[in-house]
Amino acid sequence: NAGVMQNPRHLVRRRGQEARLRCSPMKGHSHVYWYRQLPEEGLKFMVYLQKENIIDESGMPKERFSAEFPKEGPSILRIQQVVRGDSAAYFCASSPRVSGADTQYFGPGTRLTVL
Amino acid sequence: AQKVTQAQTEISVVEKEDVTLDCVYETRDTTYYLFWYKQPPSGELVFLIRRNSFDEQNEISGRYSWNFQKSTSSFNFTITASQVVDSAVYFCALSAEDRDDKIIFGKGTRLHILP
Repeated sequence: NAGVMQNPRHLVRRRGQEARLRCSPMKGHSHVYWYRQLPEEGLKFMVYLQKENIIDESGMPKERFSAEFPKEGPSILRIQQVVRGDSAAYFCASSPRVSGADTQYFGPGTRLTVL
Repeated sequence: AQKVTQAQTEISVVEKEDVTLDCVYETRDTTYYLFWYKQPPSGELVFLIRRNSFDEQNEISGRYSWNFQKSTSSFNFTITASQVVDSAVYFCALSAEDRDDKIIFGKGTRLHILP
């Protein structure tokens, strides 16, 4: 059973470009969480999605950031018009969330560098 | 509000010494979960343990042990006979089913094991 996959692992963008980060959850998991880790910081929750639904986006910046988890395919975190402050590691985690607080399984992360 | 505090920003010990990483949490939830994650220099997140709020039994796994004390809202992590491979950033974290299992991370403790 493959783990959570994220790609690309490293992404370099110039200011003003768009960044698209992909997350493929573990097989059978229909819940995805995105977290951001700024340099020398802990991870911070951004958004929680189920298939075709955004459940909680309270941690998402109000502008330029969006997320989706379509019926087919990976979850996408999209950052428009990137700025240097968006440079961070972005982790996604998936969960079956069948009962109780199931363990979230984290992907290896995408490291975004904005030049 | 939920909060996780790891007061030790950085710790250095000599190999084979024991070391304890402190974690104090705040929550109003009656059912919650506590976690420890390891982030080695390669950057991925390695899950170490999850405990629920009703289980205060201490846990030992090889050289790792965890001391959960509800009375002091602490969930400390001890590494016995430390090894150089234990060098990493360690995160304590908290989640609650009633909050969609969003994980709240502490800022992490950077542990250096010196040969």
